[in-house]
Amino acid sequence: SSELTQDPAVSVALGQTVRMTCQGDSIRNYYASWYQQKPGQAPVLVIYGKYNRPSGIPDRFSGSSSGNTASLIITGAQAEDEGDYYCQSRDNSGHQSVVFGGGTKLTVL
Amino acid sequence: QVQLQESGPGLVKPSETLSLTCTVSGVSVNNGFYYWSWIRQPPGKGLEWLGYMQSTGSTNYNASLKSRLSISLDKSKNQFSLRLTSVTAADTAVYYCATLIFGVLIPSYYYYIDVWGKGTTVTVSS
Repeated sequence: SSELTQDPAVSVALGQTVRMTCQGDSIRNYYASWYQQKPGQAPVLVIYGKYNRPSGIPDRFSGSSSGNTASLIITGAQAEDEGDYYCQSRDNSGHQSVVFGGGTKLTVL
Repeated sequence: QVQLQESGPGLVKPSETLSLTCTVSGVSVNNGFYYWSWIRQPPGKGLEWLGYMQSTGSTNYNASLKSRLSISLDKSKNQFSLRLTSVTAADTAVYYCATLIFGVLIPSYYYYIDVWGKGTTVTVSS
């Protein structure tokens, strides 16, 4: 299967921890990467290769993976973390394609 | 620092061909580390991967678009391009060019998109 499933929307209180998940068969074989997108802007990579953070990404962002589920965790969410989050992986069908999840809209209350 | 900039017409008529170019700076498109990619996002919807081309000339396309899509490199201009034929309103989207990287973290592998262009809006309408 080449599908990645994300919850459409998640909310978190300011300063609290939130976990966003991404489920799919390809996660069993290939690590997920995560992107943050704010309105009118291009996505920005926040986690790659399961748990690596690009330079400039705050350490409150972390990633994990178990079985067919990858997670993006924000520990101590800030107002500027509000936006859409997409997971992405490699297709599991052998075609070496790229697949995105449908995205999660994060609201910081 | 790698930078990408999309260019092309913002309006395309139904049944015609959509052509976009991505100008690359900071690295050569001949660099085999990167997979030169296109991604699009319809209004109010999620991201859709379209395809990539490697410096070797090898390509990989989204199966749902394979019959209409082609990606090419112009090494002399340090650009790569997208060509999508027989467009319909469903092809209306923001189109992004991007650099895809393949990585290894034993015991598994991963892709990630390191750099994105700002995106260009393409509307298909008569």
